[in-house]
Amino acid sequence: EAQVTQNPRYLITVTGKKLTVTCSQNMNHEYMSWYRQDPGLGLRQIYYSMNVEVTDKGDVPEGYKVSRKEKRNFPLILESPSPNQTSLYFCASSLSTSGDNEQFFGPGTRLTVL
Amino acid sequence: QKEVEQNSGPLSVPEGAIASLNCTYSDRVSQSFFWYRQYSGKSPELIMSIYSNGDKEDGRFTAQLNKASQYVSLLIRDSQPSDSATYLCAVNKGGYQKVTFGTGTKLQVIP
Repeated sequence: EAQVTQNPRYLITVTGKKLTVTCSQNMNHEYMSWYRQDPGLGLRQIYYSMNVEVTDKGDVPEGYKVSRKEKRNFPLILESPSPNQTSLYFCASSLSTSGDNEQFFGPGTRLTVL
Repeated sequence: QKEVEQNSGPLSVPEGAIASLNCTYSDRVSQSFFWYRQYSGKSPELIMSIYSNGDKEDGRFTAQLNKASQYVSLLIRDSQPSDSATYLCAVNKGGYQKVTFGTGTKLQVIP
């Protein structure tokens, strides 16, 4: 089944404790992206990747890191999480490198930082 | 001014009516436009994409794009209670790769 998977689905952590949210797609997509969704603010793009080893900042990259060492994986790293990073996170992938195609979203990761 | 603006709603329509959802965008170089539907607690899924001026129809859904007015809309004909969801407008500048979403319009279809 073609899909985007994220792990974990739910995470409660404390301020400053490094964490990684994994994202994997099995559709051989070029473009992958991370979003956070907050009430009243909608979906905001954190980082995106057009291909292996090629990443760029979205609208809200502060406090996050990403890497794209393999085509299928695009982990999101929070090296020192803070309470303002409490949010619902979505990973997405798209066939096109330019982001002008449909994006397929993962199921989401609900993160709480205490 | 927000890059992509939508009325947050809720927009309430009776079952069987036409629901009209609107979106405006600020950057004239925008090339690609998308409507996603998001049910509560779920991830967004694509409803329609549109790239050129005019109308694009797919079943009960019609997307309309007017680049001169920087306006894109989604019409849902014969609205059903199952259409009740939040509808997200997304814009891509083409070649710039970044995708910007509006905050979404919540649609309620009343049986």
